[in-house]
Amino acid sequence: QPLLTQPSSTSASLGASVTLTCTLNSGYSNYKVDWYQQTPGKGPRFVMRVGTGGIVGSKGDGVPDRFSVLGSGLNRFLTIKNVQEEDESDYYCATDHASGAGFVWIFGGGTKLIVL
Amino acid sequence: EVQLVDSGGGLVKPGGSLRVSCAASGFIFSDYGMNWVRQAPGKGLEWVSSITSVSDYKYYADSVKGRFTISRDNAKKSLYLEMNSLRAGDSGVYYCARTNWDSSGVLGMDAWGKGTTVTVSS
Repeated sequence: QPLLTQPSSTSASLGASVTLTCTLNSGYSNYKVDWYQQTPGKGPRFVMRVGTGGIVGSKGDGVPDRFSVLGSGLNRFLTIKNVQEEDESDYYCATDHASGAGFVWIFGGGTKLIVL
Repeated sequence: EVQLVDSGGGLVKPGGSLRVSCAASGFIFSDYGMNWVRQAPGKGLEWVSSITSVSDYKYYADSVKGRFTISRDNAKKSLYLEMNSLRAGDSGVYYCARTNWDSSGVLGMDAWGKGTTVTVSS
Protein backbone atom coordinates (compact mmCIF):
# COMPACT_ATOMS: atom_id res chain seq x y z
CA GLN A 1 0.00 0.00 0.00
CA PRO A 2 1.13 3.63 -0.37
CA LEU A 3 3.38 5.30 2.17
CA LEU A 4 3.87 9.05 2.58
CA THR A 5 7.13 10.61 3.71
CA GLN A 6 7.45 14.17 5.01
CA PRO A 7 10.40 16.05 6.52
CA SER A 8 9.81 16.49 10.24
CA SER A 9 10.34 20.23 10.20
CA THR A 10 11.22 23.25 8.12
CA SER A 11 11.44 26.98 8.65
CA ALA A 12 10.70 30.11 6.66
CA SER A 13 11.19 33.79 7.28
CA LEU A 14 8.21 36.07 7.58
CA GLY A 15 7.21 37.20 4.07
CA ALA A 16 9.26 34.55 2.29
CA SER A 17 8.01 31.51 0.38
CA VAL A 18 8.28 27.93 1.53
CA THR A 19 7.55 24.61 -0.16
CA LEU A 20 6.55 21.54 1.81
CA THR A 21 7.10 18.13 0.27
CA CYS A 22 5.22 14.87 0.59
CA THR A 23 6.74 11.85 -1.16
CA LEU A 24 4.89 8.71 -2.17
CA ASN A 25 6.66 5.37 -2.32
CA SER A 26 7.50 3.75 -5.63
CA GLY A 27 4.56 2.46 -7.66
CA TYR A 28 2.07 5.06 -6.50
CA SER A 29 2.90 8.00 -8.74
CA ASN A 30 -0.73 8.33 -9.86
CA TYR A 31 -2.07 8.85 -6.33
CA LYS A 32 -3.65 12.08 -5.24
CA VAL A 33 -2.68 13.54 -1.89
CA ASP A 34 -4.49 15.84 0.54
CA TRP A 35 -2.80 18.56 2.57
CA TYR A 36 -4.05 19.36 6.09
CA GLN A 37 -3.00 22.20 8.39
CA GLN A 38 -3.11 21.82 12.16
CA THR A 39 -2.32 24.66 14.53
CA PRO A 40 -1.50 23.75 18.13
CA GLY A 41 -4.52 22.72 20.17
CA LYS A 42 -6.89 22.71 17.20
CA GLY A 43 -8.39 20.17 14.85
CA PRO A 44 -6.96 19.68 11.37
CA ARG A 45 -8.10 21.88 8.50
CA PHE A 46 -8.34 20.67 4.91
CA VAL A 47 -6.11 22.74 2.62
CA MET A 48 -6.46 21.10 -0.79
CA ARG A 49 -5.96 17.89 -2.78
CA VAL A 50 -3.19 17.53 -5.37
CA GLY A 51 -2.35 15.13 -8.14
CA THR A 52 0.21 15.26 -10.92
CA GLY A 53 -2.11 17.63 -12.77
CA GLY A 54 -2.24 20.10 -9.90
CA ILE A 55 -5.13 20.88 -7.58
CA VAL A 56 -8.03 18.41 -7.53
CA GLY A 57 -11.36 19.95 -6.60
CA SER A 58 -11.40 23.13 -4.52
CA LYS A 59 -9.37 24.63 -1.71
CA GLY A 60 -10.69 24.27 1.79
CA ASP A 61 -12.85 26.99 3.26
CA GLY A 62 -10.89 30.15 3.97
CA VAL A 63 -7.57 28.87 2.64
CA PRO A 64 -5.68 31.93 1.40
CA ASP A 65 -4.63 32.38 -2.23
CA ARG A 66 -1.04 32.30 -0.93
CA PHE A 67 -1.35 28.50 -0.73
CA SER A 68 -0.83 26.48 -3.89
CA VAL A 69 0.03 22.91 -4.85
CA LEU A 70 1.94 21.01 -7.49
CA GLY A 71 2.49 17.34 -8.17
CA SER A 72 5.43 15.75 -9.98
CA GLY A 73 6.37 12.08 -10.11
CA LEU A 74 6.18 10.75 -6.57
CA ASN A 75 6.25 14.21 -4.98
CA ARG A 76 3.35 16.38 -3.94
CA PHE A 77 4.19 19.95 -2.98
CA LEU A 78 2.44 22.62 -0.94
CA THR A 79 3.84 26.11 -1.47
CA ILE A 80 3.06 29.03 0.80
CA LYS A 81 3.97 32.47 -0.51
CA ASN A 82 4.42 35.53 1.71
CA VAL A 83 4.52 33.34 4.82
CA GLN A 84 2.65 34.83 7.78
CA GLU A 85 2.87 34.13 11.52
CA GLU A 86 -0.48 32.35 11.40
CA ASP A 87 0.96 29.81 8.94
CA GLU A 88 3.12 28.33 11.71
CA SER A 89 1.48 24.91 12.03
CA ASP A 90 1.91 21.22 11.49
CA TYR A 91 1.15 20.16 7.94
CA TYR A 92 0.10 16.60 7.13
CA CYS A 93 -0.38 14.92 3.80
CA ALA A 94 -2.73 11.98 3.37
CA THR A 95 -4.06 9.67 0.70
CA ASP A 96 -6.88 7.20 0.36
CA HIS A 97 -6.23 3.66 -0.83
CA ALA A 98 -8.80 1.10 -1.93
CA SER A 99 -7.85 -2.49 -2.59
CA GLY A 100 -9.31 -5.97 -2.41
CA ALA A 101 -8.47 -5.87 1.28
CA GLY A 102 -10.67 -2.85 1.86
CA PHE A 103 -10.12 0.86 2.23
CA VAL A 104 -7.67 2.92 4.26
CA TRP A 105 -6.55 6.48 4.74
CA ILE A 106 -2.79 6.88 5.14
CA PHE A 107 -1.17 9.92 6.73
CA GLY A 108 2.37 11.16 6.46
CA GLY A 109 4.26 11.89 9.65
CA GLY A 110 3.73 15.64 9.34
CA THR A 111 6.01 18.64 8.85
CA LYS A 112 6.27 21.36 11.49
CA LEU A 113 6.57 24.76 9.82
CA ILE A 114 8.40 27.32 11.92
CA VAL A 115 8.02 30.96 10.95
CA LEU A 116 11.12 33.02 11.80
CA GLU B 1 -22.16 26.44 7.91
CA VAL B 2 -20.81 22.90 8.05
CA GLN B 3 -20.24 21.90 11.66
CA LEU B 4 -19.06 18.69 13.34
CA VAL B 5 -19.14 18.49 17.14
CA ASP B 6 -17.30 15.62 18.79
CA SER B 7 -18.25 14.49 22.29
CA GLY B 8 -18.13 11.59 24.71
CA GLY B 9 -14.45 11.39 25.54
CA GLY B 10 -13.22 10.73 29.03
CA LEU B 11 -11.03 8.68 31.35
CA VAL B 12 -11.44 4.91 31.16
CA LYS B 13 -9.48 2.02 32.65
CA PRO B 14 -7.55 -0.42 30.43
CA GLY B 15 -9.92 -3.06 29.15
CA GLY B 16 -12.87 -0.71 29.48
CA SER B 17 -15.30 0.66 26.92
CA LEU B 18 -16.34 4.09 25.71
CA ARG B 19 -18.54 5.53 22.96
CA VAL B 20 -17.66 8.81 21.28
CA SER B 21 -20.13 10.72 19.14
CA CYS B 22 -20.12 13.35 16.43
CA ALA B 23 -23.11 15.61 15.75
CA ALA B 24 -23.31 17.05 12.25
CA SER B 25 -25.10 20.14 10.99
CA GLY B 26 -25.08 22.47 8.02
CA PHE B 27 -25.07 19.80 5.31
CA ILE B 28 -27.00 16.74 4.14
CA PHE B 29 -25.39 14.20 6.45
CA SER B 30 -26.74 11.19 4.59
CA ASP B 31 -24.89 12.21 1.41
CA TYR B 32 -21.40 11.83 2.88
CA GLY B 33 -19.08 9.14 4.11
CA MET B 34 -17.59 9.83 7.52
CA ASN B 35 -14.37 9.02 9.33
CA TRP B 36 -12.70 8.89 12.72
CA VAL B 37 -9.08 10.04 12.96
CA ARG B 38 -7.10 10.11 16.21
CA GLN B 39 -3.99 11.79 17.49
CA ALA B 40 -1.97 10.49 20.41
CA PRO B 41 -0.38 13.16 22.63
CA GLY B 42 2.50 14.78 20.79
CA LYS B 43 2.09 12.48 17.77
CA GLY B 44 0.73 12.68 14.25
CA LEU B 45 -2.67 11.91 12.79
CA GLU B 46 -3.79 8.27 12.54
CA TRP B 47 -6.83 7.10 10.60
CA VAL B 48 -9.10 4.87 12.72
CA SER B 49 -12.26 4.02 10.80
CA SER B 50 -14.55 5.03 7.94
CA ILE B 51 -18.21 4.42 7.08
CA THR B 52 -20.08 4.99 3.84
CA SER B 53 -23.09 7.27 3.60
CA VAL B 54 -25.66 4.49 4.07
CA SER B 55 -23.53 2.29 6.33
CA ASP B 56 -23.10 -0.43 3.71
CA TYR B 57 -19.34 -0.48 4.14
CA LYS B 58 -17.24 0.02 7.25
CA TYR B 59 -13.46 0.02 7.36
CA TYR B 60 -11.01 -0.13 10.25
CA ALA B 61 -7.31 0.34 10.86
CA ASP B 62 -5.59 -2.91 11.80
CA SER B 63 -4.79 -1.43 15.22
CA VAL B 64 -8.48 -1.26 16.18
CA LYS B 65 -10.05 -4.03 14.10
CA GLY B 66 -12.20 -6.31 16.26
CA ARG B 67 -12.28 -3.81 19.15
CA PHE B 68 -13.88 -0.68 17.67
CA THR B 69 -17.20 -0.35 15.83
CA ILE B 70 -18.21 2.63 13.72
CA SER B 71 -21.87 3.43 13.13
CA ARG B 72 -24.12 6.30 12.15
CA ASP B 73 -27.72 7.42 12.49
CA ASN B 74 -28.65 9.51 9.47
CA ALA B 75 -31.97 10.54 11.00
CA LYS B 76 -30.10 11.99 13.98
CA LYS B 77 -27.22 13.29 11.81
CA SER B 78 -24.79 11.55 14.12
CA LEU B 79 -21.68 9.42 13.86
CA TYR B 80 -20.47 7.08 16.57
CA LEU B 81 -17.40 5.07 17.53
CA GLU B 82 -17.88 2.30 20.06
CA MET B 83 -14.52 1.41 21.60
CA ASN B 84 -14.01 -1.81 23.57
CA SER B 85 -10.99 -3.51 25.16
CA LEU B 86 -9.30 -0.14 25.35
CA ARG B 87 -5.52 0.07 25.76
CA ALA B 88 -3.19 2.84 26.83
CA GLY B 89 -2.16 3.20 23.18
CA ASP B 90 -5.72 4.20 22.29
CA SER B 91 -5.37 7.42 24.28
CA GLY B 92 -5.57 10.64 22.32
CA VAL B 93 -7.86 13.13 20.69
CA TYR B 94 -10.50 11.59 18.43
CA TYR B 95 -11.73 13.68 15.51
CA CYS B 96 -14.64 13.01 13.21
CA ALA B 97 -14.19 14.14 9.63
CA ARG B 98 -16.37 14.29 6.53
CA THR B 99 -15.31 12.68 3.25
CA ASN B 100 -15.94 15.07 0.40
CA TRP B 101 -16.52 13.56 -3.03
CA ASP B 102 -17.79 14.13 -6.52
CA SER B 103 -18.30 12.08 -9.67
CA SER B 104 -14.52 11.73 -10.05
CA GLY B 105 -14.12 10.21 -6.63
CA VAL B 106 -12.87 11.18 -3.19
CA LEU B 107 -11.82 14.81 -2.69
CA GLY B 108 -10.42 14.60 0.82
CA MET B 109 -11.67 15.02 4.38
CA ASP B 110 -12.95 18.56 4.08
CA ALA B 111 -14.59 19.19 7.45
CA TRP B 112 -13.36 18.22 10.90
CA GLY B 113 -14.65 18.37 14.43
CA LYS B 114 -12.64 19.94 17.24
CA GLY B 115 -12.04 16.51 18.76
CA THR B 116 -12.80 14.73 22.00
CA THR B 117 -10.10 13.42 24.34
CA VAL B 118 -9.93 9.77 25.35
CA THR B 119 -7.56 8.79 28.14
CA VAL B 120 -7.00 5.11 28.93
CA SER B 121 -5.27 4.79 32.27
CA SER B 122 -5.58 2.91 35.54
